[in-house]
Amino acid sequence: DMKVTQMPRYLIKRMGENVLLECGQDMSHETMYWYRQDPGLGLQLIYISYDVDSNSEGDIPKGYRVSRKKREHFSLILDSAKTNQTSVYFCASTNNQAPLFGEGTRLSVL
Amino acid sequence: GDSVTQTEGQVTVSESKSLIINCTYSATSIAYPNLFWYVRYPGEGLQLLLKVITAGQKGSSRGFEATYNKETTSFHLQKASVQESDSAVYYCALSDRGYAQGLTFGLGTRVSVFP
Repeated sequence: DMKVTQMPRYLIKRMGENVLLECGQDMSHETMYWYRQDPGLGLQLIYISYDVDSNSEGDIPKGYRVSRKKREHFSLILDSAKTNQTSVYFCASTNNQAPLFGEGTRLSVL
Repeated sequence: GDSVTQTEGQVTVSESKSLIINCTYSATSIAYPNLFWYVRYPGEGLQLLLKVITAGQKGSSRGFEATYNKETTSFHLQKASVQESDSAVYYCALSDRGYAQGLTFGLGTRVSVFP
């Protein structure tokens, strides 16, 4: 069953804490993405990964970093989270077809 | 850069009535990008509703249709008779360089269907 899995689904953190969002896919897709979605702003691309250790900045990478040590896993890391990083984060993967999205992680930074 | 415009942020419609969600696009790299509609139902993730990669073609899924109009650079989503279960947020998106740069999304249109 083709699926992109995001963990956790919900997360509350305090400003200044570190945050790790995890994404997995079982389809051996090479390309993976992280987006954030905010009301009135649609989905904005944070990072793209083309394969293990091959990552590229998207449109809004500031304040984020990523890690991809296995093709199946793509992590988004917020070092010292800020309140303006409160958002819903979506991971997606593709093998040159329409990207398949996860269910999202709702992050609140207080 | 690329852009996708959805003019309505929110639409309210009665069950069994017709629905049109407007989408226009601008792609900088190629003339005929791939076009998509994604949907997000309450409490769920983003799902592909339909895609069209050839100008002039129509895509359809779950009773929804969208025609790729290269003259007007539009990709409007339509349904003849909506149901309460169609209440969701709909996103129009494009890809103009394969998937290497991700998709460019519109802001989304929240559709509320009332019985």
